[in-house]
Amino acid sequence: DSGVTQTPKHLITATGQRVTLRCSPRSGDLSVYWYQQSLDQGLQFLIQYYNGEERAKGNILERFSAQQFPDLHSELNLSSLELGDSALYFCASSVGGANIQYFGAGTRLSVL
Amino acid sequence: AQSVTQLGSHVSVSEGALVLLRCNYSSSVPPYLFWYVQYPNQGLQLLLKYTSAATLVKGINGFEAEFKKSETSFHLTKPSAHMSDAAEYFCAVSENFGNEKLTFGTGTRLTIIP
Repeated sequence: DSGVTQTPKHLITATGQRVTLRCSPRSGDLSVYWYQQSLDQGLQFLIQYYNGEERAKGNILERFSAQQFPDLHSELNLSSLELGDSALYFCASSVGGANIQYFGAGTRLSVL
Repeated sequence: AQSVTQLGSHVSVSEGALVLLRCNYSSSVPPYLFWYVQYPNQGLQLLLKYTSAATLVKGINGFEAEFKKSETSFHLTKPSAHMSDAAEYFCAVSENFGNEKLTFGTGTRLTIIP
């Protein structure tokens, strides 16, 4: 158990819909990272938050957004969903810097 | 920009044989290098991490990796494969403050032949 909790484990929805993925980091970790894993693109970095502030952005679509709340949990919002958004979405947390990132079990999103 | 190349998307070895998974990196600054393992339907688990303290890094489950700057490589090895090692392995690179994200290779699926 990495200590990083992601909910829900599975999500099935339709095209055009909006979903929210939730991540609770390990106790004491200030950084939260979101990654997308798909057959086409592999593991891709989406976005990083550090203590409530956005720190880095990767190949995140404009339809996607994230935030980190005062209690340090984070949410990834995906809107106007397309078939190609079907993927495994991972959250990771670390204390910051180039320290070890601990990964959650992921949320599997299926867009039908 | 940092990048990682993993040679061989699939590797098969016999139980008890040497495991060698290849990783080459590109980074404009001294890199931090990682190997993660992903078992089916699970998240990524850290095997080991290189942070410039020592070029030979020992990880969990008998795995180790050697950092070779001249070859820009960070290959993962295990002397004797076990059936439980069957999984997907990812090499990743990050830099430091200001660029902490992990850039992953495409992964290598390891199959163990009984």
